Amino acid sequence: AQSVAQPEDQVNVAEGNPLTVKCTYSVSGNPYLFWYVQYPNRGLQFLLKYITGDNLVKGSYGFEAEFNKSQTSFHLKKPSALVSDSALYFCAVRDIRGDKIIFGKGTRLHILP
Amino acid sequence: KAGVTQTPRYLIKTRGQQVTLSCSPISGHRSVSWYQQTPGQGLQFLFEYFSETQRNKGNFPGRFSGRQFSNSRSEMNVSTLELGDSALYLCASSPTLGNTIYFGEGSWLTVV
Repeated sequence: AQSVAQPEDQVNVAEGNPLTVKCTYSVSGNPYLFWYVQYPNRGLQFLLKYITGDNLVKGSYGFEAEFNKSQTSFHLKKPSALVSDSALYFCAVRDIRGDKIIFGKGTRLHILP
Repeated sequence: KAGVTQTPRYLIKTRGQQVTLSCSPISGHRSVSWYQQTPGQGLQFLFEYFSETQRNKGNFPGRFSGRQFSNSRSEMNVSTLELGDSALYLCASSPTLGNTIYFGEGSWLTVV
């Protein structure tokens, strides 16, 4: 069965510093991996995905994520955090066979001015 | 292109009642999936439809049901509402199965 873990409930980063939000996954076969962001009282917005190819994936709002097959990780990163990046971030995985998308519990990111 | 539209956005129901939530996918998208979001349980998968057929189902009781119409619009129904059904219900659509899913703003259900 597929699963995804976000080990940190909350991450605090000073504005201008680099940020990392961690995600590890377990899936049979090759994974499809996703990151979404949720602002208060809103639905989830798609940020980026990894299907195949380059392990470094670039997405919206300056975010990127690095796929590491040996560590089964897909950490979200940004070189310089903005206060407006404060939100709830979800990692998700989908089995290549087309099974349902499973989401992690989310990591709340606080960017401190 | 219009995004995923969910109606109603907010509703309050009484225990024991039933509720129907509606979702209109992005134009051209044929797959619709539903999720329940609560503070304690996070995002829980309910079901996924493609071409009017349920393709995947989560671990929810039979009180939760859904369907998809020929125009790809979808509805989900919850019968005999319980207090624990209070949640944000999110609908997402994608062009095909296995593709990126795009979410609507959600329907906030409060059961009193």
